[in-house]
Amino acid sequence: ETGVTQTPRHLVMGMTNKKSLKCEQHLGHNAMYWYKQSAKKPLELMFVYSLEERVENNSVPSRFSPECPNSSHLFLHLHTLQPEDSALYLCASSQFSGQGNYGYTFGSGTRLTVV
Amino acid sequence: SQQGEEDPQALSIQEGENATMNCSYKTSINNLQWYRQNSGRGLVHLILIRSNEREKHSGRLRVTLDTSKKSSSLLITASRAADTASYFCATDASTGNQFYFGTGTSLTVIP
Repeated sequence: ETGVTQTPRHLVMGMTNKKSLKCEQHLGHNAMYWYKQSAKKPLELMFVYSLEERVENNSVPSRFSPECPNSSHLFLHLHTLQPEDSALYLCASSQFSGQGNYGYTFGSGTRLTVV
Repeated sequence: SQQGEEDPQALSIQEGENATMNCSYKTSINNLQWYRQNSGRGLVHLILIRSNEREKHSGRLRVTLDTSKKSSSLLITASRAADTASYFCATDASTGNQFYFGTGTSLTVIP
């Protein structure tokens, strides 16, 4: 384990389902991130939370809804997804200061398949 | 765009050979990092190089940074089969707190 734990590891859901992805970090970091990784594409930054406030939302469709109840936990709520949303969803955390970011620690990811 | 671009997209070498991967980017950065990803897993941080550094070493890894050319290279010496993975560079904006990744280089080390 890297210190960032993601559950579940695999998820298959229908287009009408509602599910949530969970991420937990045990590193005392002050920023957490959701990335989407699709085949042959760069990692897409979806959401950034710094000090529990959302500071970035890169035009992600509203069917993805993040939640950060505290600095250690991050959720991604999913509803009415499309087949093209099938991907590996990665959570990461980092320690950010005014001097910059000291690198991410990633979880192992959730492999999502939308049927 | 901000993201780095790795080159080549795929690389296949024999065990014991050296592997070199390159990364180019377009805007000023504070830091550049290299990550490794084994198939279907999360990314693992390998090394960070700051914009005022030109070279950094970590074990069999050597990273160089040329800010005038906006490029970086990752050299893995004496490769092993266990080095088989995808390698990504990540760049941050000079004012931002997030990193942008490219599509990666897929490295295969043949035993």
